[in-house]
Amino acid sequence: QQQVKQSPQSLIVQKGGISIINCAYENTAFDYFPWYQQFPGKGPALLIAIRPDVSEKKEGRFTISFNKSAKQFSLHIMDSQPGDSATYFCAASRDSGAGSYQLTFGKGTKLSVIP
Amino acid sequence: DAGVTQSPTHLIKTRGQQVTLRCSPKSGHDTVSWYQQALGQGPQFIFQYYEEEERQRGNFPDRFSGHQFPNYSSELNVNALLLGDSALYLCASSLGDRAFGYTFGSGTRLTVV
Repeated sequence: QQQVKQSPQSLIVQKGGISIINCAYENTAFDYFPWYQQFPGKGPALLIAIRPDVSEKKEGRFTISFNKSAKQFSLHIMDSQPGDSATYFCAASRDSGAGSYQLTFGKGTKLSVIP
Repeated sequence: DAGVTQSPTHLIKTRGQQVTLRCSPKSGHDTVSWYQQALGQGPQFIFQYYEEEERQRGNFPDRFSGHQFPNYSSELNVNALLLGDSALYLCASSLGDRAFGYTFGSGTRLTVV
């Protein structure tokens, strides 16, 4: 079953705080794990992505932590800002070998950063 | 450099009607994938077009069909519209069939009444 479970559904964080969003996947064939940010009325925009050969990837204030044995990955947003208020989606896909390369998305987390 | 362009931005249709949505990929991209995003949900894969052929398909009925033109632009057609087809339809373009490098458009909001 190709499924990605995301939590929490919504998150309220104070400005300057750390936002943490978690995802778990089932299909061990997945080898590409991106996070997308979506603002109202816009399409998802790639934020950061990781492959299973590394356990952590950092880009600016955004960090992905990846636990292959637990089949879990998470997004950490450091020093959260009001401009980070958006819906965040984790996703997963195959990126090699035979088979479908479609993205499977989580249900999203609505992040609100309050001043 | 224009990104992915989708048209129209909003559309209202009556149940039973047919609809065509359009997508122009980002310059340099040759593959178009279509996703359906219901309100409050993550996008769900409909199908992917490469070299003018449907290459991959998600769990959507045959009422959903598509086409890709020689200039790589694409259309999504939905026949016999149901109320449950109301959603944001997203087009993502890429170079090749991998999800790496996807660029999404802003989508077409379809409302079926």
